[in-house]
Amino acid sequence: ETGVTQTPRHLVMGMTNKKSLKCEQHLGHNAMYWYKQSAKKPLELMFVYSLEERVENNSVPSRFSPECPNSSHLFLHLHTLQPEDSALYLCASSQDRWTSGGANTQYFGPGTRLTVL
Amino acid sequence: GESVGLHLPTLSVQEGDNSIINCAYSNSASDYFIWYKQESGKGPQFIIDIRSNMDKRQGQRVTVLLNKTVKHLSLQIAATQPGDSAVYFCAENIAGGYQKVTFGTGTKLQVIP
Repeated sequence: ETGVTQTPRHLVMGMTNKKSLKCEQHLGHNAMYWYKQSAKKPLELMFVYSLEERVENNSVPSRFSPECPNSSHLFLHLHTLQPEDSALYLCASSQDRWTSGGANTQYFGPGTRLTVL
Repeated sequence: GESVGLHLPTLSVQEGDNSIINCAYSNSASDYFIWYKQESGKGPQFIIDIRSNMDKRQGQRVTVLLNKTVKHLSLQIAATQPGDSAVYFCAENIAGGYQKVTFGTGTKLQVIP
């Protein structure tokens, strides 16, 4: 596969469940991102990883726990979520976290549609 | 604070006509702007970008115009096709430091056959 892939594409879970979202990028990029996309709201940046180091955590609740074992893989571990966490979770990658002159486009995966019951 | 917003939430265009999607931004430090297209069930896809030292950039059937005086960005799609139906996001990249991209809420483009 090419680009950025995410699994699963759809996930339904109860509030007491523990699940994980997986993202893999095949672009040789050094930075990876998790976004949350809710209806009628802008994309919300959750986490940024650069060279496997977390460089940003945008006040995300602790029930979301990211993991970046290497520069190609990114996980989002979920536990005791709330119904308002239902959303499309998007993973993205870019060549680097630095702007490098402003040409650091992010490439997105297809997302995981999460429903919390 | 910084913000990126879109003037029209929904735009309906006849097939074959040109489409213009507008975007306003408020951060003067933004040095780079990107347009993304998001089709139903998919993640945002890069369409075209423009740096702040440019006023216009053309791609295949798409043109982005940047007016820094009024902090306005637009995406023009020529000869709109049914496959152009999607939500379009503008995003701004803040200069100086690591890449921080701020996205607008999106404009839904509906192409009428």
